[in-house]
Amino acid sequence: RKEVEQDPGPFNVPEGATVAFNCTYSNSASQSFFWYRQDCRKEPKLLMSVYSSGNEDGRFTAQLNRASQYISLLIRDSKLSDSATYLCVSYTGRRALTFGSGTRLQVQP
Amino acid sequence: NAGVTQTPKFQVLKTGQSMTLQCAQDMNHNSMYWYRQDPGMGLRLIYYSASEGTTDKGEVPNGYNVSRLNKREFSLRLESAAPSQTSVYFCASSEVFSGGSTDTQYFGPGTRLTVL
Repeated sequence: RKEVEQDPGPFNVPEGATVAFNCTYSNSASQSFFWYRQDCRKEPKLLMSVYSSGNEDGRFTAQLNRASQYISLLIRDSKLSDSATYLCVSYTGRRALTFGSGTRLQVQP
Repeated sequence: NAGVTQTPKFQVLKTGQSMTLQCAQDMNHNSMYWYRQDPGMGLRLIYYSASEGTTDKGEVPNGYNVSRLNKREFSLRLESAAPSQTSVYFCASSEVFSGGSTDTQYFGPGTRLTVL
């Protein structure tokens, strides 16, 4: 079983829609979580960290549920420019970061 | 301020050839990493260097070697390339090796390697 699992998608949504991705992690020792964004054929870039209390950055909201071992990312009012692959990432304190394989989002006009 | 740079951007090798992928960062970061990215597999850590003078194996180190030449540079060497090493290789760096919520990893643009 992969340490971090994501639905690969693609999620096809119209502009202005709200879309949510979930990610599950198997290692209960995971300490920190992040969402990275990766555009087609480009390098990953940090989108936001995920805090236990949940956090919001503009149209993006990240939540952590330790009891069920999942992380979520909510995108409100989707823009065409949000089209990308979203990588769920965990850190166990053992060996750098563990990346999920990503969820692809396609926002359509 | 270029961030993380990688060379080359593209490379085609024949089975058994060797090559070195170069990575440099100008952010005065202590930690550097090499990942490979394959379709459906996500990013997998090959080797990392938590600080200058140290290197450690990641998830998939077989067939690779690394050198932390100095604080800025971290190279990845394929001694005898195999088709299974066809992938996109990303170098990354971070200020410290803590995995804390403020310890962002910055990635280079990647090297697309094909081994025939």
